[in-house]
Amino acid sequence: DTAVSQTPKYLVTQMGNDKSIKCEQNLGHDTMYWYKQDSKKFLKIMFSYNNKELIINETVPNRFSPKSPDKAHLNLHINSLELGDSAVYFCASSQVTGSSYTGANVLTFGAGSRLTVL
Amino acid sequence: AQTVTQSQPEMSVQEAETVTLSCTYDTSESNYYLFWYKQPPSRQMILVIRQEAYKQQNATENRFSVNFQKAAKSFSLKISDSQLGDTAMYFCAYSGAGSYQLTFGKGTKLSVIP
Repeated sequence: DTAVSQTPKYLVTQMGNDKSIKCEQNLGHDTMYWYKQDSKKFLKIMFSYNNKELIINETVPNRFSPKSPDKAHLNLHINSLELGDSAVYFCASSQVTGSSYTGANVLTFGAGSRLTVL
Repeated sequence: AQTVTQSQPEMSVQEAETVTLSCTYDTSESNYYLFWYKQPPSRQMILVIRQEAYKQQNATENRFSVNFQKAAKSFSLKISDSQLGDTAMYFCAYSGAGSYQLTFGKGTKLSVIP
């Protein structure tokens, strides 16, 4: 039973299209994230939600819009796709508050979604 | 802002040998956590080991151990008895205590040679 699942795993699309990547976690975590891994493998945080509230919103184009319908889901919608958006997008989750919080923010990652914009 | 530096873009090691991956970080916080994540060719990010800054004892997980030098802000990963399955990108990461933010280094690509 996958802890953090992302769909789709691969996405090939044309410039200018709009696409979404979905993420679901079954760990009962209260915080979810989107990270972008570029072609040089550098991982950079994009967004983070804690209990459906946006808490990290790094400098990304406003074509990227996260949506968290509930604690277990965090989706990423991208409008007007550009060549430079080609990357692997990772969803992750962690438990930051509550009785299980140890002070260490240990992230569990999904398998990643490779987006290719042609 | 915290930064994490991995100065070795690529390394290789013979199977069954020992290899050490370097990581340095910069922070003004007194309490924080350090992590090593592994990313094999399957792309999955896997937590290898973590260290709490206030603990002087170096963390160990089976064949993986760290050398944490707080004053030098150094956090190296030692892999003993390297196995072919250890071939992967290894990322060092930093998180302040109670922080939502996890900052990654640029990674070291490790190849284990049979």
